[in-house]
Amino acid sequence: EPEVTQTPSHQVTQMGQEVILRCVPISNHLYFYWYRQILGQKVEFLVSFYNNEISEKSEIFDDQFSVERPDGSNFTLKIRSTKLEDSAMYFCASSPQGVGGNEQYFGPGTRLTVT
Amino acid sequence: QKEVEQDPGPLSVPEGAIVSLNCTYSNSAFQYFMWYRQYSRKGPELLMYTYSSGNKEDGRFTAQVDKSSKYISLFIRDSQPSDSATYLCAMSDRGSTLGRLYFGRGTQLTVWP
Repeated sequence: EPEVTQTPSHQVTQMGQEVILRCVPISNHLYFYWYRQILGQKVEFLVSFYNNEISEKSEIFDDQFSVERPDGSNFTLKIRSTKLEDSAMYFCASSPQGVGGNEQYFGPGTRLTVT
Repeated sequence: QKEVEQDPGPLSVPEGAIVSLNCTYSNSAFQYFMWYRQYSRKGPELLMYTYSSGNKEDGRFTAQVDKSSKYISLFIRDSQPSDSATYLCAMSDRGSTLGRLYFGRGTQLTVWP
């Protein structure tokens, strides 16, 4: 069964460093998302992406964040200058259609630890 | 942000019990409702997906949506130890957003043999 994959599974970085989290969505999906989950808190939406541009972003997704689909398979989240509060699980998701709440399939996540 | 409320539990039941998990929400624009299962330190796994009000059954799982009460439920029949996980409700509106999901905090379920 096709699945979303993410690398690395765990990333440790120092405050102020740039990190890139990578995702390979399910191949025939058109809509891509990033969410994060701080330990013990809700899963929170960061950004949605369709047709090579951002569709929506949350208030969390400030200028320190960017997303890119550099080729036909990868989808990346970049954090330019990490802060301690960026420590969280980051989940990539994809869906075959993106109109209002269609099924989103999540990857296993990247645990980001900022020290 | 209190758009979706979910009792975090923990909930502990014996094998074979019927489990009822619930969420309430405040945004009447929500029309799409999902239940995800999340094992420790893993990604959410989609279990059930329903649109608008009504029931949907899939094996041992039944999802119910009552939009008039802004209340959704997931029932698990004949619960198994392998059902032990955190169950997340999620929902979405069809307005200007493109599939953004709003999650509950999750209910931690343990099914003991």
